[in-house]
Amino acid sequence: NAGVTQTPKFQVLKTGQSMTLQCAQDMNHNSMYWYRQDPGMGLRLIYYSASEGTTDKGEVPNGYNVSRLNKREFSLRLESAAPSQTSVYFCASSEVGRESYTFGSGTRLTVV
Amino acid sequence: GQSLEQPSEVTAVEGAIVQINCTYQTSGFYGLSWYQQHDGGAPTFLSDNDLDGLEETGSFSSFLSRSDSYGYLLLQELQMKDSASYFCAVGNNFNKFYFGSGTKLNVKP
Repeated sequence: NAGVTQTPKFQVLKTGQSMTLQCAQDMNHNSMYWYRQDPGMGLRLIYYSASEGTTDKGEVPNGYNVSRLNKREFSLRLESAAPSQTSVYFCASSEVGRESYTFGSGTRLTVV
Repeated sequence: GQSLEQPSEVTAVEGAIVQINCTYQTSGFYGLSWYQQHDGGAPTFLSDNDLDGLEETGSFSSFLSRSDSYGYLLLQELQMKDSASYFCAVGNNFNKFYFGSGTKLNVKP
């Protein structure tokens, strides 16, 4: 099983450009999440989707939008990238009521 | 809101036992989880506690005291491959977990 797959793995953007980070899971999980991780910091929740058709803001949603395309896929969009969004982005999924999250391998994004 | 505190770095030798502490503040409590992350890798789930007490999983254990807003991860018989960062995460809902800044564990021969 692939688990949680994120694309791309690396990306360099210029300030003001837009892009979409893709995430797909094959574990039939209901809940999906987007986190960002900055050096020396833990993971901060950007957005989450408790189930297909719902999305909610996390700790740091400003500058991002999300789409829960179907049960498998949850995308994160940066409409106008800023250097402050340089980070490693992780997608995760979990079963309803379970505390164990399965993470993807991450997208390393640099905004110049 | 939520906040978590854990030591930034811990050093231990192979074969030793190490305890990584985590104190938290949260509005509402669902559970406390622990994750391991090797450099350049993704976090992987280790253990979780939603009730007070000790949970044992192979070579590590996790403890929770809800009255003290405190938990710890205990790693036994350390190996070099255990060198990694360890994160505690507290949830006030099953789909809202907040992570600490992580503890970098250095295992020395």
